[in-house]
Amino acid sequence: KQEVTQIPAALSVPEGENLVLNCSFTDSAIYNLQWFRQDPGKGLTSLLLIQSSQREQTSGRLNASLDKSSGRSTLYIAASQPGDSATYLCAVNPMDTGRRALTFGSGTRLQVQP
Amino acid sequence: DAMVIQNPRYQVTQFGKPVTLSCSQTLNHNVMYWYQQKSSQAPKLLFHYYDKDFNNEADTPDNFQSRRPNTSFCFLDIRSPGLGDAAMYLCATSGGLAGALIRQETQYFGPGTRLLVL
Repeated sequence: KQEVTQIPAALSVPEGENLVLNCSFTDSAIYNLQWFRQDPGKGLTSLLLIQSSQREQTSGRLNASLDKSSGRSTLYIAASQPGDSATYLCAVNPMDTGRRALTFGSGTRLQVQP
Repeated sequence: DAMVIQNPRYQVTQFGKPVTLSCSQTLNHNVMYWYQQKSSQAPKLLFHYYDKDFNNEADTPDNFQSRRPNTSFCFLDIRSPGLGDAAMYLCATSGGLAGALIRQETQYFGPGTRLLVL
């Protein structure tokens, strides 16, 4: 059974700092991995999607990498801003037959201090 | 320009009183999902529809059911809500392209409905 772990569970940094969020998964048989942002009490916003054949994806100040063989992904946020404060969730799309669902980690709660 | 819409955003119900949550989408996607997310936990898939084909997760309680009358709408029915069913319910969609491409698609989430059971 696929399990997704995110470390740390919470992170507080001063504004302007570069930071890395970690995601690990137990089964490397995945189609893709997706990073989401969730603001308190809100739904999920997709940030980046990395296909299993890709090593990284970039969008603005965000860069996500994927090392499928070791079961790891990182989300790099450059020059963090208070508006980046949110919970960041990673989710894998496993290759289980007949299943289209994502398996989520519990998230990293990020607080960027002004 | 909302693409996945959930109503209501907040729902209060009484213990044991049936409740229905609504999701609609303007993306014309084939696949619609319902996730349950409890406080500080990962979203957990309850079930999904691929077109009209319903797929229930093995550990989804019988108390939860779903209907999809057309491509745009999907409903989550909780027949007899218990205190443990209080959570955020998230609806998502994906394009549902034929064959293996299905699994390469981004899922788009709605804003969620927060359910409170008194």
